[in-house]
Parts: sequence; C-alpha cells; structure tokens
Amino acid sequence: DQQVKQNSPSLSVQEGRISILNCDYTNSMFDYFLWYKKYPAEGPTFLISISSIKDKNEDGRFTVFLNKSAKHLSLHIVPSQPGDSAVYFCAASSGYSTLTFGKGTMLLVSP
Amino acid sequence: NAGVTQTPKFRVLKTGQSMTLLCAQDMNHEYMYWYRQDPGMGLRLIHYSVGEGTTAKGEVPDGYNVSRLKKQNFLLGLESAAPSQTSVYFCASSPTGTGPEKLFFGSGTQLSVL
Repeated sequence: DQQVKQNSPSLSVQEGRISILNCDYTNSMFDYFLWYKKYPAEGPTFLISISSIKDKNEDGRFTVFLNKSAKHLSLHIVPSQPGDSAVYFCAASSGYSTLTFGKGTMLLVSP
Repeated sequence: NAGVTQTPKFRVLKTGQSMTLLCAQDMNHEYMYWYRQDPGMGLRLIHYSVGEGTTAKGEVPDGYNVSRLKKQNFLLGLESAAPSQTSVYFCASSPTGTGPEKLFFGSGTQLSVL
C-alpha cells in the first residue's frame, strides 16, 4: 500500500503563474515532510521541508502547506519559472524511520 | 565539494552477469542509502546502512547485496542480474538518519540488463 501519494503525474503551468503540487499520505505517524526536486540525469536535491508541528513553511518562491487533519500537503511555487521544470518528489518520515517517497510529479513551466 | 559520487554512470549487463556499484561520500555522514527509480514508481529504498559495518534491508532488497566496510563507501552488488533490475540507481547519504534531515544524492547510475 502506497503511504505517500502524488496523484498527478504531470503539471503544466505558464511562466509567472502559480504551480501547486499536491501530496497525500496515509500513515498518521509521519511527522516530517520534505520535497525534493530532480532534473534529468541528475540526483534529487532537497528543496523544502516542514515539521508536523507547523502548517506552513516558506523559502523564497517556495511554500509548503501541511493539513494534518486531511493528511495532505502541497508545494506552491510563485512565480513559476522555466528553470523550475523538473520532477518533484514528496517524501515523509516518522521518528527514526527512513524516508518514504511518492512517485513524483513532473512540472513543466512554459515561457 | 564532491558530495556523493557514484560509479559507474552507465552500465549494460547481460542476464546472469554480476556487477558492483560504488558510492562514495566525503561528508563524513553516518547513514547511506541505495534507491532505485523506475518510471511511475518513484524512489524505492533497496538497502541502507546506519554506520560502518552495518546494513539493513529496505523496501525492495531482493536480488541485491550491500557492504559498508568503510564509512565513506557503500557498495551495491547484483550477483545475477535480471531484466527487472534495469533501472536508475541512486545512492544517498545523511548525517545521522534521524527524522528531520535531508538526504544528499549522487547523480545516479543507469543500468540496463539485457
């Protein structure tokens, strides 16, 4: 059973608009969530994270929102830029467990 | 700043052949991981290590073996490669492996098994 779900395989957005990537989880023990960004032929790189004691974390153009009651988190990118085109992975962990990743969402930002 | 280095970057094997993927990190991290990425499947953990001399199974360990003889190196072995092991393999490391901690990934190894 998939514990971290990214139900949108892809998302297309125009430059300057907002990109919203969604992630749902089923394990209520998860208490830390991260987003990774991956360009083709490169390894994933850490983007932003949030602890379960918060409902929002912001870093420049990137904001992650956490809704614990709905077991849902989202990554907002404002404004979107062509260089943001990549695959975005949502990941979650609980305590000392290893990270569980979602399947990823491919974001395409067109000029 | 090398970070996490994986070798080789590409490899083609025939079914039944064996090979070893090497991962090296220069950040003095305790934890190291091997993931595989397949289309539509995301990143799945194969094996991981919580320190020199230790290994543990992840989500998809079958068909793979690992060794962590030195803190900075984590080797992934395929004893008898199968077409189902065609994938992109990523090594990662982290300082202590505790929850609120990010992983540092290598650039990946593209493996094709014919």
